[in-house]
Amino acid sequence: KAGVTQTPRYLIKTRGQQVTLSCSPISGHRSVSWYQQTPGQGLQFLFEYFSETQRNKGNFPGRFSGRQFSNSRSEMNVSTLELGDSALYLCASSPEAGAESGYTFGSGTRLTVV
Amino acid sequence: KQEVTQIPAALSVPEGENLVLNCSFTDSAIYNLQWFRQDPGKGLTSLLLIQSSQREQTSGRLNASLDKSSGRSTLYIAASQPGDSATYLCAVTPTTSGTYKYIFGTGTRLKVLA
Repeated sequence: KAGVTQTPRYLIKTRGQQVTLSCSPISGHRSVSWYQQTPGQGLQFLFEYFSETQRNKGNFPGRFSGRQFSNSRSEMNVSTLELGDSALYLCASSPEAGAESGYTFGSGTRLTVV
Repeated sequence: KQEVTQIPAALSVPEGENLVLNCSFTDSAIYNLQWFRQDPGKGLTSLLLIQSSQREQTSGRLNASLDKSSGRSTLYIAASQPGDSATYLCAVTPTTSGTYKYIFGTGTRLKVLA
């Protein structure tokens, strides 16, 4: 059974550019969440989607956005990149709307902004 | 506001030792608590998921306990091996209405010496 797949694994972007990261959840999983991990702030919640609807959003500026498609795949977009956006971005999926089943994480996308 | 603390921040032990990692959370209103392992530069691997109604979970050499009333969880690793070297993270899911997101601790970086 395939796990959570995130693409690309690594990205280098220049300040001011925008970037789109992709996440394919485990087959049958309908909930997808995104997290940002940095050495200074640790793991922080970005947003969560279920059935193409954003149910929750963390405390990040509007430059961070996301969406979920009808096949549960999700994308997140960061516009006008800043140096501080350099981080490991992790996607997680869960079978249901709630948290009872826990989440399975992907390997992440390492974004470097120069 | 839920806060999660992990002690110690780093730990170095000789191979074969039994060890305990600690996780504390400030608000007992949680759906569940999950322990993860993270290898350098990689994603999160789920180790154990404990529902709020449960007291403990076991998998192989790992045992995790949950005392919701005191806001504590421990991860016990028996007969540690060099392959156990990684950062261990605990995360709780608060029961705030409509919020299905993890609040992560800062992690314990474990090194098992051969």
